[in-house]
Amino acid sequence: QVHLRQSGPGLVKPSQTLSLTCAISGDSVSSNSAAWNWFRQSPSRGLEWLGRTYHRSDWHNHYAPSVKSRITINPDTSKNQFSLQLNSVTPEDTAVYYCARSGNGYYDFWGQGTLVTVSS
Amino acid sequence: DIQMTQSPSSLSASVGDRVTISCRASQSISTYLNWYQQKPGEAPKVLIYAASSLQSGVPSTFSGSGSGTDFTLTISSLQPEDFATYYCQQSYSTPYTFGRGTKLEI
Repeated sequence: QVHLRQSGPGLVKPSQTLSLTCAISGDSVSSNSAAWNWFRQSPSRGLEWLGRTYHRSDWHNHYAPSVKSRITINPDTSKNQFSLQLNSVTPEDTAVYYCARSGNGYYDFWGQGTLVTVSS
Repeated sequence: DIQMTQSPSSLSASVGDRVTISCRASQSISTYLNWYQQKPGEAPKVLIYAASSLQSGVPSTFSGSGSGTDFTLTISSLQPEDFATYYCQQSYSTPYTFGRGTKLEI
């Protein structure tokens, strides 16, 4: 059974960087059949896919256009986890953030969710 | 981006009812359509993938159909635990987009 455990601060100041980590058990971040994704959910934006990282002989990243200039998703093979960094946050980035695994185009295992509030 | 439109946005029903939820894509997505259930305070849970394939462990009261731009999620006999919000999601092209949800209420 795959389990994803999220960690990171729940409060970030405007203009600073939001950083979250998703630790994987039961699978490998280097898997050649899975991708590792970040989402967020808010009343105003609904469920929004932010981006993914995956390994297919080399590492690949894809990001949503809405955050492409501010986002970085990195794998950490030594700790079997992946991370999200979102720069220059504003109150509009306040949301519940989720990590999730995908294979075959759908998201089958999710983290527990982290409410991140952007406020001074 | 591909826009996903769900209808209705909310639905009142009773235990034992048969309900259908619709999802329309702004362009053809073949059968690259997935359905999720979300309960308050929880992450989404996949029910149906590739438009009509039932995820392992999901009751057979759930079914999906459609291709191209129009899709349907059907719950054949509502159980108390089925009252939740349902989302469709396209996996045809990035960014992978979701509908705004259908809240199923008693």
